[in-house]
Amino acid sequence: QSALTQPPSVSGSPGQSVTISCTGTSIDVGYYNRVSWYQQPPGTAPKLMIYEVTNRPSGVPDRFSGSKSGNTASLTISGLQAEDEADYYCSSYRSDDTVLFGGGTKLTVL
Amino acid sequence: DVHLVESGGDLVQPGGSLRLSCAASGFTFSSYAMTWVRQAPGGGLEWVSTISNNGRNTHYADSVKGRFAISRDNSKNTVFLQMNSLRAEDTALYYCAKRHDSGWYYSEYWGQGTVVTVSS
Repeated sequence: QSALTQPPSVSGSPGQSVTISCTGTSIDVGYYNRVSWYQQPPGTAPKLMIYEVTNRPSGVPDRFSGSKSGNTASLTISGLQAEDEADYYCSSYRSDDTVLFGGGTKLTVL
Repeated sequence: DVHLVESGGDLVQPGGSLRLSCAASGFTFSSYAMTWVRQAPGGGLEWVSTISNNGRNTHYADSVKGRFAISRDNSKNTVFLQMNSLRAEDTALYYCAKRHDSGWYYSEYWGQGTVVTVSS
């Protein structure tokens, strides 16, 4: 099972917006709206930020938004804050009843 | 509050076995699928296995299929991961997670993990 493809790193200044892409295939991201995003600050457990491509769990700021086009999903963080600095992982359900994660993207707030 | 506490991680030789446990509290354990996710040192997340709420359905990553077995004891609010034929590449921090209401493929709450090291 190959991982979903994410850029290794992205960066932005406070107040700016950044977008992290997540590319899969026609049997995972492209076929199902079962994409999620997780935030993992250093030394901590992951936190669910987005599920079902666009939905935010209770307590997640609306600065975080998700979208999908074809085989690529995206996470956009607007109004960047220092506390957003973390690793971000996308995840997707796959047709063989498994779950894939992306390789992770390190977000640096300049 | 949801609380997940993993245990059982240890240093084990290649080819050896280990059983991880995850004790859950703060929710109706028997109503939720549970998942194990691992993270190699300095690496990314890797989904390992999921078990349905009643234990009848299980799913495994190809990398562990045939070597690992997930199970649960709803009377003790605990999920297990039996790991056999361990390899160096199984070295990781193992997290236990509770599913989100919208699907077993989303992990809403996570424990802090237990460390498994496979080395001679």
